[in-house]
Amino acid sequence: DSGVTQTPKHLITATGQRVTLRCSPRSGDLSVYWYQQSLDQGLQFLIQYYNGEERAKGNILERFSAQQFPDLHSELNLSSLELGDSALYFCASSPITGLNTEAFFGQGTRLTVV
Amino acid sequence: SQQGEEDPQALSIQEGENATMNCSYKTSINNLQWYRQNSGRGLVHLILIRSNEREKHSGRLRVTLDTSKKSSSLLITASRAADTASYFCAKDGGSNYKLTFGKGTLLTVNP
Repeated sequence: DSGVTQTPKHLITATGQRVTLRCSPRSGDLSVYWYQQSLDQGLQFLIQYYNGEERAKGNILERFSAQQFPDLHSELNLSSLELGDSALYFCASSPITGLNTEAFFGQGTRLTVV
Repeated sequence: SQQGEEDPQALSIQEGENATMNCSYKTSINNLQWYRQNSGRGLVHLILIRSNEREKHSGRLRVTLDTSKKSSSLLITASRAADTASYFCAKDGGSNYKLTFGKGTLLTVNP
């Protein structure tokens, strides 16, 4: 158990809908990262937050947004969902942001868009 | 584009044999990390090697790093069926911390 909790584990929704994925980082970790894993694209970095502030942005679509709250949990909002958004979404956390730090991954949320 | 491209894409061996996976990257790194993922589950950190290190060991794992060739290798010795998983290398570079993953090597260890 990495200590990173993601909910829900599975989500099935229709095209055009909006969903929210939630992540609770390990106790004390200030950095949260979101990744999308699909068969064709592999593991894609979406976005990073550190202590409530956005720190780095990757291949995140405009339809997607995220935030990190004062209690350090994070939410990833996906809107106007398309079939191609079906993927595993992972959250990871680390104590700090910077060099030589490993990331601890949650078990992921499997999103299926039908 | 993906940084950290693993080779081979798939590897099938017998229990007790050694498994070697390679990773290449394109730009400079602060460190390179290896992760394991069991089917459909979260990634587990295995080992981190810094850019000024050449070799690192952790149990049955041995990682090497050649910054001149921009490549790394992961060796799993005396493999077990439980080692069956996908293995990813991840590049950590730049001032904004983000790990950039390759597409992974699927290792199958047959009992």
